Amino acid sequence: GEDVEQSLFLSVREGDSSVINCTYTDSSSTYLYWYKQEPGAGLQLLTYIFSNMDMKQDQRLTVLLNKKDKHLSLRIADTQTGDSAIYFCAESGGSQGNLIFGKGTKLSVKP
Amino acid sequence: EAEVAQSPRYKITEKSQAVAFWCDPISGHATLYWYRQILGQGPELLVQFQDESVVDDSQLPKDRFSAERLKGVDSTLKIQPAELGDSAMYLCASSPGVSFTDTQYFGPGTRLTVL
Repeated sequence: GEDVEQSLFLSVREGDSSVINCTYTDSSSTYLYWYKQEPGAGLQLLTYIFSNMDMKQDQRLTVLLNKKDKHLSLRIADTQTGDSAIYFCAESGGSQGNLIFGKGTKLSVKP
Repeated sequence: EAEVAQSPRYKITEKSQAVAFWCDPISGHATLYWYRQILGQGPELLVQFQDESVVDDSQLPKDRFSAERLKGVDSTLKIQPAELGDSAMYLCASSPGVSFTDTQYFGPGTRLTVL
């Protein structure tokens, strides 16, 4: 079945780059997404990448997609304390557009 | 900026009681989703509506959960009776359609605690 896996925790120092990794199983996924969830809040879409792309850059965010290995990563440059949150990788696994989420990576940014 | 509204934000109930959650999607969004997020997990789809019709409720525990979107706008998710294992965050999301290019926008969620 469809499955999305992520490492659970990442700790970085303010100003460093953060790299959050994700693997997925559904090779037919058309889009892959990164969502951010702050404590007690809903999910905020950060960025997404179409499956025929290798890379997408949006300000401090860079998404890399290795379709052969079914590996997705999110790089946050110049990580700030406000970036502390849980980051979810998701694939468009369903026929009706529903999303399959990973368990989330908790990013902690130390000053 | 338009947002998905949910209420209540927090709900505490005792097991065997009935609870209901409300969601108002972004105006004009035809597709509405209810997700359940257990602590430490990612959201899991419970039910998906296209306008007023259910298009996917395969993961909805239908013996105790029900969802409706009568006029194709706002939606209600009900649990009766609530069980301890239902404690979770219930998230509503909406999108213009079901195409993969249609981004899902999430509301702030309703955190349910069942005692």
